[in-house]
Amino acid sequence: GAGVSQSPSNKVTEKGKDVELRCDPISGHTALYWYRQSLGQGLEFLIYFQGNSAPDKSGLPSDRFSAERTGGSVSTLTIQRTQQEDSAVYLCASSPWTSQETQYFGPGTRLLVL
Amino acid sequence: GENVEQHPSTLSVQEGDSAVIKCTYSDSASNYFPWYKQELGKRPQLIIDIRSNVGEKKDQRIAVTLNKTAKHFSLHITETQPEDSAVYFCAAAGNMLTFGGGTRLMVKP
Repeated sequence: GAGVSQSPSNKVTEKGKDVELRCDPISGHTALYWYRQSLGQGLEFLIYFQGNSAPDKSGLPSDRFSAERTGGSVSTLTIQRTQQEDSAVYLCASSPWTSQETQYFGPGTRLLVL
Repeated sequence: GENVEQHPSTLSVQEGDSAVIKCTYSDSASNYFPWYKQELGKRPQLIIDIRSNVGEKKDQRIAVTLNKTAKHFSLHITETQPEDSAVYFCAAAGNMLTFGGGTRLMVKP
């Protein structure tokens, strides 16, 4: 079946502009995660949604970052007033309720802030 | 919260040799330990996992071992091939999945 999809695949923006990144999880998956991966680095946890529970926002690096998940499915990560240090690959992952630890990753959105 | 340390950060081996990547974790409540492989420019993909009620698991050329007492687990790749070259991430999960920093494996033909 269809895996996790993300859009856009690449985004180039100017410093100070806002960007929205989209994640479509695997159908029926209740958990959704956002990670940031800088060039050659590991996976930095940003935010976690589980069903209708309040999201775990503990990884968001600043108040310029926010995310929402509408209808328990699609999620949007918004970065306001982008900075050059926001340049990275933003990865989304989802998990089924029956195996919440097993995460399936999307292809990522490569963000470049000029 | 959980803290996962992964070593080495880079590993270079000759084709056909074995490769071992080690991880330690801090939260004794963690009970699930997956390994992900990320090829250049691609998404991380689950390659093998182990739960805390098992000490070892094998899948063809890859195996994972777990020592719950010492809180460490390892990935073993035998008969390495150039296509094994990638970044490998370990992770540990209790409530949440926490990733190690990654190991860049290079297999030289």
